[in-house]
Amino acid sequence: DVKVTQSSRYLVKRTGEKVFLECVQDMDHENMFWYRQDPGLGLRLIYFSYDVKMKEKGDIPEGYSVSREKKERFSLILESASTNQTSMYLCASSSGVDYGYTFGSGTRLTVV
Amino acid sequence: QKEVEQNSGPLSVPEGAIASLNCTYSDRGSQSFFWYRQYSGKSPELIMFIYSNGDKEDGRFTAQLNKASQYVSLLIRDSQPSDSATYLCAVIPISGGSNYKLTFGKGTLLTVNP
Repeated sequence: DVKVTQSSRYLVKRTGEKVFLECVQDMDHENMFWYRQDPGLGLRLIYFSYDVKMKEKGDIPEGYSVSREKKERFSLILESASTNQTSMYLCASSSGVDYGYTFGSGTRLTVV
Repeated sequence: QKEVEQNSGPLSVPEGAIASLNCTYSDRGSQSFFWYRQYSGKSPELIMFIYSNGDKEDGRFTAQLNKASQYVSLLIRDSQPSDSATYLCAVIPISGGSNYKLTFGKGTLLTVNP
């Protein structure tokens, strides 16, 4: 089975801190994604990457950046955390358009 | 904006009944359709995918696709309390530049009562 591992299950950070969320997949997938999920708003795409060093903005990229230096790792960076970034963050990977995504277990981030 | 619409629920069914979950999508050119199950506090897991018009069965689950009417549904036969979860419909729209991305509905909460 494909494994997508997110480094932290729960995270509490202070307003203004720089926050790194790490995601690693072990199946050589080309495509990786970062979503946030909030009650009533569903899953919203922040950024995705279809190759090493390649990235594209999703629907809500403001306040976030990403890094993909190696194929297996996709990092989400909150440049200056704010309380409205308190959310569940989900990483996913995919080998191709027809196969859907495999999600990591999620990181619940609280910014205080 | 390509949209995927689902009734938010909650949909409540008795144990052993058939649960029917529905989804409509706006991009007529969409090609691939997925159903995810998400338990409370957990991440979504893929349970079904369908590409062609008609039905696709996998155990107690049946996905139905009607591209002309732009809807996709999920039937769960012999519903169990362990099926209680939020079910997310997802679509890959063929237009819009990138075909890597899934567009998700907001999900339907299903409760199966013992």
